[in-house]
Amino acid sequence: GENVEQHPSTLSVQEGDSAVIKCTYSDSASNYFPWYKQELGKRPQLIIDIRSNVGEKKDQRIAVTLNKTAKHFSLHITETQPEDSAVYFCAASGDTGNQFYFGTGTSLTVIP
Amino acid sequence: KAGVTQTPRYLIKTRGQQVTLSCSPISGHRSVSWYQQTPGQGLQFLFEYFSETQRNKGNFPGRFSGRQFSNSRSEMNVSTLELGDSALYLCASSYKGDTQYFGPGTRLTVL
Repeated sequence: GENVEQHPSTLSVQEGDSAVIKCTYSDSASNYFPWYKQELGKRPQLIIDIRSNVGEKKDQRIAVTLNKTAKHFSLHITETQPEDSAVYFCAASGDTGNQFYFGTGTSLTVIP
Repeated sequence: KAGVTQTPRYLIKTRGQQVTLSCSPISGHRSVSWYQQTPGQGLQFLFEYFSETQRNKGNFPGRFSGRQFSNSRSEMNVSTLELGDSALYLCASSYKGDTQYFGPGTRLTVL
């Protein structure tokens, strides 16, 4: 099956700096890569996703890049704010109906 | 549309007991997946149901089972509870298995 690895497990940045979280996957058939943000005591919320026919996607301060050849994808958060502090999970999935495989999460702390 | 709901939100059980958790998906969604979340382990996939049929299954023992009803609501059952089953159990719904939307979770504590 698929194996998704996520790094780093913890990340601290100063407010206003950028944060980058990286994930690698093993199954070349995976073609959908969502990112979730989970604040303390709350449910994971989808923040951005990318499909394998696209190399990059951006939504305001958040962007995701995908390198299919190297089998890795990354989340980029620019101009970080304290409210960005949360645990972020990456995931990978194949065709519709295939299960999702999640990374182990990155705890991001934005220091005011 | 109303979001994914889960009941109960909190449960305390003792070893050896069994428990049933419930998940109501977003209206129109036919796929429901269940995950176990523990500190340091991330989200571990349990199983997925689509149109009342189990379509995918993770690597959990047979003590963990589930089902889905004709209205897409799903239940998860854990029998003979162990201390290690203490976790947050999340369900996620999607239209057909694509983008997943999570419920608030059920926090299970096994004493």
